[in-house]
Amino acid sequence: DTAVSQTPKYLVTQMGNDKSIKCEQNLGHDTMYWYKQDSKKFLKIMFSYNNKELIINETVPNRFSPKSPDKAHLNLHINSLELGDSAVYFCASSQGTSFVSYEQYFGPGTRLTVT
Amino acid sequence: QKEVEQNSGPLSVPEGAIASLNCTYSDRGSQSFFWYRQYSGKSPELIMFIYSNGDKEDGRFTAQLNKASQYVSLLIRDSQPSDSATYLCAVTGGSGYSTLTFGKGTMLLVSP
Repeated sequence: DTAVSQTPKYLVTQMGNDKSIKCEQNLGHDTMYWYKQDSKKFLKIMFSYNNKELIINETVPNRFSPKSPDKAHLNLHINSLELGDSAVYFCASSQGTSFVSYEQYFGPGTRLTVT
Repeated sequence: QKEVEQNSGPLSVPEGAIASLNCTYSDRGSQSFFWYRQYSGKSPELIMFIYSNGDKEDGRFTAQLNKASQYVSLLIRDSQPSDSATYLCAVTGGSGYSTLTFGKGTMLLVSP
């Protein structure tokens, strides 16, 4: 059984388009995240939701809008795509936000290529 | 601004040797420390976490934490070619909603 799943796995699109990435976790976790991993493999947090509530919003352009319809799902919508948005986007989940038990489970990633 | 520093490598070791991966962090308030492994084209997977000073062992892996020196390391004993991957160090703070801050990772190459 897939713990954290993302769709699509690959996304190729042109500049200026709008696209969405979906994420679902079946672990019963309360917290979900979006990360961006750039071409240099640097993994950086973008957003975090706890029980459908946005709790962390790092410095991300407002073209990126996350949405959590329920605690098992976290989607990412990107407007007016730019070349610099090309990266691998990982969804992750964890049980709570306590620093003591912070094990995060990552999805397989969505490779976004903007041409 | 929290920073987590790792040598990008690659760190090359022969099969059967001990691989030593190091990480330093800037935030003295950091409480928990994680090592993730990421194979090329795959997602990160957790290997170990540690939050007390000293050593923590799990099979062939040992995590070492020295909060005074703001240093955390991962030792891999009896390295195998299948251990070849990028190892990401991540740290998190101690209160409230806290994010994982990742280092840029160290690539490990284990040669047969």
